[in-house]
Amino acid sequence: TQLLEQSPQFLSIQEGENLTVYCNSSSVFSSLQWYRQEPGEGPVLLVTVVTGGEVKKLKRLTFQFGDARKDSSLHITAAQPGDTGLYLCAPNTGGFKTIFGAGTRLFVKA
Amino acid sequence: NAGVTQTPKFRILKIGQSMTLQCTQDMNHNYMYWYRQDPGMGLKLIYYSVGAGITDKGEVPNGYNVSRSTTEDFPLRLELAAPSQTSVYFCASSYGGSNSDTQYFGPGTRLTVL
Repeated sequence: TQLLEQSPQFLSIQEGENLTVYCNSSSVFSSLQWYRQEPGEGPVLLVTVVTGGEVKKLKRLTFQFGDARKDSSLHITAAQPGDTGLYLCAPNTGGFKTIFGAGTRLFVKA
Repeated sequence: NAGVTQTPKFRILKIGQSMTLQCTQDMNHNYMYWYRQDPGMGLKLIYYSVGAGITDKGEVPNGYNVSRSTTEDFPLRLELAAPSQTSVYFCASSYGGSNSDTQYFGPGTRLTVL
């Protein structure tokens, strides 16, 4: 059984602050995706990282895949209320079965 | 394109009742998935399908059945509802099965079993 841990579980910050959330495992993954889920909706893909050490930027969001492909981080610069949601890490162990972490619930106060 | 649609949005069942959760996608995707999401937990794969006529079990298939008679539709059947099946159910689809393909999710069905 693979252990997938996302931290922190919950984060409440003021608008304009920076934050980093983490996704960690002892397993090596072929790729990893980050999804954001807003209340009452399904998850929406933010990014896919494939190569160890890869860094991708999406406006104020910076995603990094660990060198060993066992972990990933998501950094948000100058958070805005629109960033509020559940951030899910979804590593892939091969094929088309994707596992999802429990997520980090982010609340950005105006 | 409507993307992935799910019906109903909400449902309350009594223990032992049965129901079918509907899922339709209009993107001509080969792969479709059913997940459940419990409070504070991630999404767990119930069943998946790689094309019409082909389905397979995911991580938590007990108590559920699926069929895939067309590319567009992937209904999930609960035969004897139990309180443990209280959850939010998401259907998703993807064009291919590669590890970097995007999964497109429906809005979910919130099911309560009393």
